[in-house]
Amino acid sequence: NAGVTQTPKFQVLKTGQSMTLQCAQDMNHNSMYWYRQDPGMGLRLIYYSASEGTTDKGEVPNGYNVSRLNKREFSLRLESAAPSQTSVYFCASSEALERGETQYFGPGTRLLVL
Amino acid sequence: LAKTTQPISMDSYEGQEVNITCSHNNIATNDYITWYQQFPSQGPRFIIQGYKTKVTNEVASLFIPADRKSSTLSLPRVSLSDTAVYYCLVGHINTDKLIFGTGTRLQVFP
Repeated sequence: NAGVTQTPKFQVLKTGQSMTLQCAQDMNHNSMYWYRQDPGMGLRLIYYSASEGTTDKGEVPNGYNVSRLNKREFSLRLESAAPSQTSVYFCASSEALERGETQYFGPGTRLLVL
Repeated sequence: LAKTTQPISMDSYEGQEVNITCSHNNIATNDYITWYQQFPSQGPRFIIQGYKTKVTNEVASLFIPADRKSSTLSLPRVSLSDTAVYYCLVGHINTDKLIFGTGTRLQVFP
């Protein structure tokens, strides 16, 4: 079991460029999440997907879009990157979206926007 | 919205017990309390979860008083490898968006 995998591990973008962060889980989890973590800060929820075919906004959704491609994969897209989006992005999954089910996190994608 | 408050940092020495308290005054009836550990350059990792009273597993204990407005993570006999950031998370995602606070940075010294 690889758990939660994320690609790429590191990316540098110029302002205005677009990119998609990929996330996949092999634990047959129903729910998936995207967080960002700025230096010295806690994690902030960007978007989540309760189940295949559904997505919903989190605390900081502006500037991002997501796609729940299938049960395994949940991608995060930056259409026009801005320096304020420089951060570490974590994907997570859990069995279900209820009762604070334990989340399993990926290793993160470090994004630098110049 | 159930937000949490934790100390920003704590120091300890190897072999000591460490207690990290989290305040969550606005906790709702359906909310669970979950603690995560994060090492540098890694994603958070689940430590323990509870709803009320006391929960214990192989790595930690979680104490929750009757009013549930706070909780205490207890790490027995810490080692250098316990140096990390610890997050208290309170929420039932159907009503709250999951909110991670800034966490408590624990530094363990030899």
